[in-house]
Amino acid sequence: QVQLQESGPGLVKPSETLSLTCTVSGGSISSYYWSWIRQPPGKGLEWIGYIYYSGSTNYNPSLKSRVTISVDTSKNQFSLKLSSVTAADTAVYYCARGPTQDVWGKGTTVTVSS
Amino acid sequence: QSVLTQPPSASGTPGQRVTISCSGSSSNIGSNYVYWYQQLPGTAPKLLIYRNNQRPSGVPDRFSGSKSGTSASLAISGLRSEDEADYYCAAWDDSLSGRVVFGGGTKLTVL
Repeated sequence: QVQLQESGPGLVKPSETLSLTCTVSGGSISSYYWSWIRQPPGKGLEWIGYIYYSGSTNYNPSLKSRVTISVDTSKNQFSLKLSSVTAADTAVYYCARGPTQDVWGKGTTVTVSS
Repeated sequence: QSVLTQPPSASGTPGQRVTISCSGSSSNIGSNYVYWYQQLPGTAPKLLIYRNNQRPSGVPDRFSGSKSGTSASLAISGLRSEDEADYYCAAWDDSLSGRVVFGGGTKLTVL
């Protein structure tokens, strides 16, 4: 059973870069797409982007200028970097498998505050 | 404003059948598959329906999906208290170089 686990700082200062990692266990990261989605407090879901295990990416146009998603197949991990963060980037960040998100991590809360 | 439109709330009594609608356009629902997710309070979303009307293993057949034109629906029959959750629809959108779009979510209350 594939499981996903997000990790990273829970607090990020405004204008800095948010960095999160998703570790895939119980299966290989190869041959799949992997996504990041976020959910601001009390709000709905927003797709951030996805990466194929080979490294090709697709990002939400509204975040594209600030987002980088990368993959490390040797560690069975993929990562999210979001630059120049503001309070509006405060959210629960989820990693998931595929653009269809058939398996999700439990999510990690990131707060942007000084 | 979400690209896909869902009613903010829905409700029903135990045993009833309820439906949740999801409205889009030709660039998303009209030309791509629809997915539905269930988010129980305080938990991560869970895939409920994929490719318009397919259920992942383990999802009860009380849940069903359908699509017609640029709209889709999720139906829940034999409503149970444990179905109280937020439900989101999603689809690929061909505009703006392609992106996944979600509905704003529907909070289902079991009365």
